[in-house]
This record gives sequence, C-alpha cells and structure tokens, in this order.
Amino acid sequence: DSGVTQTPKHLITATGQRVTLRCSPRSGDLSVYWYQQSLDQGLQFLIQYYNGEERAKGNILERFSAQQFPDLHSELNLSSLELGDSALYFCASSTNPSGKNYEQYFGPGTRLTVT
Amino acid sequence: KNQVEQSPQSLIILEGKNCTLQCNYTVSPFSNLRWYKQDTGRGPVSLTIMTFSENTKSNGRYTATLDADTKQSSLHITASQLSDSASYICVVSYNAGNNRKLIWGLGTSLAVNP
Repeated sequence: DSGVTQTPKHLITATGQRVTLRCSPRSGDLSVYWYQQSLDQGLQFLIQYYNGEERAKGNILERFSAQQFPDLHSELNLSSLELGDSALYFCASSTNPSGKNYEQYFGPGTRLTVT
Repeated sequence: KNQVEQSPQSLIILEGKNCTLQCNYTVSPFSNLRWYKQDTGRGPVSLTIMTFSENTKSNGRYTATLDADTKQSSLHITASQLSDSASYICVVSYNAGNNRKLIWGLGTSLAVNP
C-alpha cells in the first residue's frame, strides 16, 4: 500500500458525460501528479500540482482539468467524454519535486470505461 | 528530443531463469534514472533510482546498471519467480528550471512461466 488513495476504483459512463476522479496523497506529500494509461500503452503524464498550484502540464486535453485543494487532495475532471478516454487514470504523490531523487508513490488507479 | 526506449517490448522466460531488460535514453540534462515494476491494472512501484555517479544498484533479485556515457541502463532479474510477471518501466528524470520532469518508457512486458 503506497498510502495514496484514489476513488472510485471503477467508473462506467456514456460518451458526452462528465466525471470527477479523486486522489488523496500520502500524508506529508505536497505534490500530486495525474497520469493516463490507455490499454497496452505507456503512462502519459497529464498534470502536476504542488501545494495547491499547477506546477507542470503534460499531454492534458482541454476537456480535462484538475485542481488541488487546501487539504492537498486533488480532483481530475474529465468532460465531454469520448470512447478514447477509456483508460486507467493514476494519481501519484511526492514530497518535494525539486529534490534530486524525489520518489513518486502511485495510487491504485481509477479505471474509466466510456461506452 | 528527450526519449526513452526500452527493449525488448515483451519477454517470456521460465521460472528460475535470469533475464536482462534494456533501456536507452536521449535525455538532457540528465538527473536520474528509475526502474518501476507495474503489475497489470495496478500503479507502478519503484525498484531503483540511480544518479549519474552510480553504476550499479541492487534491490533484492533486481540489479540495475547505468552507463551515463552511452546513456544505457539495464535491469537484471535473477532467479525469476512467477510474481515477477509484470511490466518494467524505465523512467529518466531531467532538470527543467526549478522542477524535474520525467520521461517514461513504454515498458517491457515480462511473463514468467512455470
């Protein structure tokens, strides 16, 4: 158990809908990262937050948005869902992302199925 | 362009055998290289983190090597077990301003058969 929690574990929804994925980082970790992993694909970095502020942006679509709240939990919002958005969405957390050998701890993921 | 390439894409070995996975990278300026193990449907778990000055690092039956000159790394698994069946992902970190960014490889899918 990495200490990172994600909810829900599974989500099935229809095209055009909007969903929210939630992540709670490990106790003491200030940084949260979101990744997307489609079937048989590598992890794609979406976005990173550090202490409530956006730190880095990866291949995140405009239909997707995220935020990190004062209690450090984060939410990833996916809207106007398409079939191709079906994937595993992972959240990871770390302490100080500027540290040389900072470690990312991954949550169990949310499996999103868009039908 | 910053890239991480892994080979082979997939590998099947018998339980008890050894195997070596490869990672080549073109990432600059290099900060460190990590190997992750990802079981199917689960989040990646870190195996090793290696900096520029480290040539070899072990974690149980896993031994990672790093040649910063040739920009190559390998992950050697000794006396494989069925539970080693997973995807092994090489990740290279580089400096980007006051942040460090990661480039993820696509992974090597390892199947250990009885």
